[in-house]
Amino acid sequence: EPEVTQTPSHQVTQMGQEVILRCVPISNHLYFYWYRQILGQKVEFLVSFYNNEISEKSEIFDDQFSVERPDGSNFTLKIRSTKLEDSAMYFCASRRRRNLSGGADEQFFGPGTRLTVL
Amino acid sequence: AQSVTQPDIHITVSEGASLELRCNYSYGATPYLFWYVQSPGQGLQLLLKYFSGDTLVQGIKGFEAEFKRSQSSFNLRKPSVHWSDAAEYFCAVGNMEYGNKLVFGAGTILRVKS
Repeated sequence: EPEVTQTPSHQVTQMGQEVILRCVPISNHLYFYWYRQILGQKVEFLVSFYNNEISEKSEIFDDQFSVERPDGSNFTLKIRSTKLEDSAMYFCASRRRRNLSGGADEQFFGPGTRLTVL
Repeated sequence: AQSVTQPDIHITVSEGASLELRCNYSYGATPYLFWYVQSPGQGLQLLLKYFSGDTLVQGIKGFEAEFKRSQSSFNLRKPSVHWSDAAEYFCAVGNMEYGNKLVFGAGTILRVKS
């Protein structure tokens, strides 16, 4: 069964460093998402991406964040200058536009990347 | 604005007992509702979803949920809990509009005692 994959599973970085989190969505999916979950808190939406552009972003997704689909298979989240409060689990998700019946479809989540900023 | 409330932070049930996890949502249009489960250190696995039609939906691992529009609720149930069901459960609401972000509740941690 196809699945969303994410690398690395755990990333440790120093405050102020740039990090790139990588995701490979399911191959026939068209919508892509990043969410984050700070330890002990709820899962929060960061950004959605469709047709090579951001379709929606949250207040969390400030100028330090960017997303890219560089090669048609990978979907990346870059944090330009990490802060301590960026420490969280980051989940990538993808979704088909619609299922074959024209109905709604769910988002499929990857296993997450745990980012630790020291 | 969309919001999801899961009023129970922790629930403890005995193995073999029935389970109900509560979820209330606030949403201006027809909601699409989901329950996800997360084991420690793991990702989010979809248990079930409601888009339209029959308001009682069946999911994986013996879970079901009932959509009640009048109560803005989408409670998750299981008739007999197994020790392996111990995990954190998240209710989420979304839509089919452009972007279709999910809004998650705070989660309910389920403990199963033997």
